[in-house]
Amino acid sequence: SQTIHQWPATLVQPVGSPLSLECTVEGTSNPNLYWYRQAAGRGLQLLFYSIGIDQISSEVPQNLSASRPQDRQFILSSKKLLLSDSGFYLCAWSVGRGAYNEQFFGPGTRLTVL
Amino acid sequence: ILNVEQSPQSLHVQEGDSTNFTCSFPSSNFYALHWYRWETAKSPEALFVMTLNGDEKKKGRISATLNTKEGYSYLYIKGSQPEDSATYLCALNSGGGADGLTFGKGTHLIIQP
Repeated sequence: SQTIHQWPATLVQPVGSPLSLECTVEGTSNPNLYWYRQAAGRGLQLLFYSIGIDQISSEVPQNLSASRPQDRQFILSSKKLLLSDSGFYLCAWSVGRGAYNEQFFGPGTRLTVL
Repeated sequence: ILNVEQSPQSLHVQEGDSTNFTCSFPSSNFYALHWYRWETAKSPEALFVMTLNGDEKKKGRISATLNTKEGYSYLYIKGSQPEDSATYLCALNSGGGADGLTFGKGTHLIIQP
């Protein structure tokens, strides 16, 4: 069966510090991978998606970047965190394309930038 | 920017009562609609994926309907139980890159014993 892991579960970082959040998927090949963020008072927002190794698309301009160095590994990074980067970050995966393409979510990382 | 709205934002329901809430979305951007249940300290769990106008899906005591022409979906819970307490999210797939989803803010449901 497929599983998705995210770490760390919680993170408190000072403004201006770097960030690296990791997501890995097991039990599937060539998944689509996604990073979502829920900021305070807002819905989940799609930040990045990837359909393959080193293929990253950004949905919104921001202070963050994503990388996919391996088929089932998706990394969210920042060189210098802003207060507005605080939120709950969810990684998700799916396989294939189409209207019934279901996404499966990881446990999430709560990031607080102080 | 797509706008997916959910109402109400929060809802308190007595155990045993039935309830429903709404998701509205721009009908011109419709490809599919997803419903998720998100319990505290857990990952969002997929409930339904709906694509056809007039479609109705059911899972146990939970059901959903879809109107793609007017851009709304209803989620119904019959005979609410404490374990139904969660945030219910709807998300629009507008057919964009890799089927990325646009989520509403959710309806936070609390079932009172």
